[in-house]
Amino acid sequence: AQSVAQPEDQVNVAEGNPLTVKCTYSVSGNPYLFWYVQYPNRGLQFLLKYITGDNLVKGSYGFEAEFNKSQTSFHLKKPSALVSDSALYFCAVSRRGTYKYIFGTGTRLKVLA
Amino acid sequence: EAGVAQSPRYKIIEKRQSVAFWCNPISGHATLYWYQQILGQGPKLLIQFQNNGVVDDSQLPKDRFSAERLKGVDSTLKIQPAKLEDSAVYLCASSADGRLDTTKNYNEQFFGPGTRLTVL
Repeated sequence: AQSVAQPEDQVNVAEGNPLTVKCTYSVSGNPYLFWYVQYPNRGLQFLLKYITGDNLVKGSYGFEAEFNKSQTSFHLKKPSALVSDSALYFCAVSRRGTYKYIFGTGTRLKVLA
Repeated sequence: EAGVAQSPRYKIIEKRQSVAFWCNPISGHATLYWYQQILGQGPKLLIQFQNNGVVDDSQLPKDRFSAERLKGVDSTLKIQPAKLEDSAVYLCASSADGRLDTTKNYNEQFFGPGTRLTVL
């Protein structure tokens, strides 16, 4: 069975500091991996995806994520956090050959001024 | 390119009443999804359509929930009768059919703004 774990309910970071939001997954075969962000009263907005190729994926708003197959992880990172990055972040996994996402429970990122 | 449209944005009903949500996907997207997002949880897939056919409805509570996509474009999700535990945000998403054109953001889902349902 597919599953996604986001071990931290909330991450606090000071503005200007680097941030990491963790995600680990369990899926048979090679996965597709995604990060989405959700602002209050808004739908999910796509940030980035790993399909194949380079393990370091760059996405929107300066975010990047590193695919680590041996650790089955896909952590979201940003070198310098902004207050406006404060939001709810979701990791999702999809098994190749399907279009079905399994989402994690979300991590609330709070960037402090 | 217009995004995924949903209406209404908010709905408040009493338990045992009926409610319907509407979704219009991105033009040309063959696959449409309905998700339920309960407060504090990640979205859970309710039903997935490929054109006008159901691909996956394994997590749809079929005794009270129904969905259709008759012409393979827009879709309606209905709850009848509603229960208190149906209070959630209902998200619609769409994606291109990667089998037809691999340049069309294969497998990437685009989400609408959601409908927040409160059942009293």
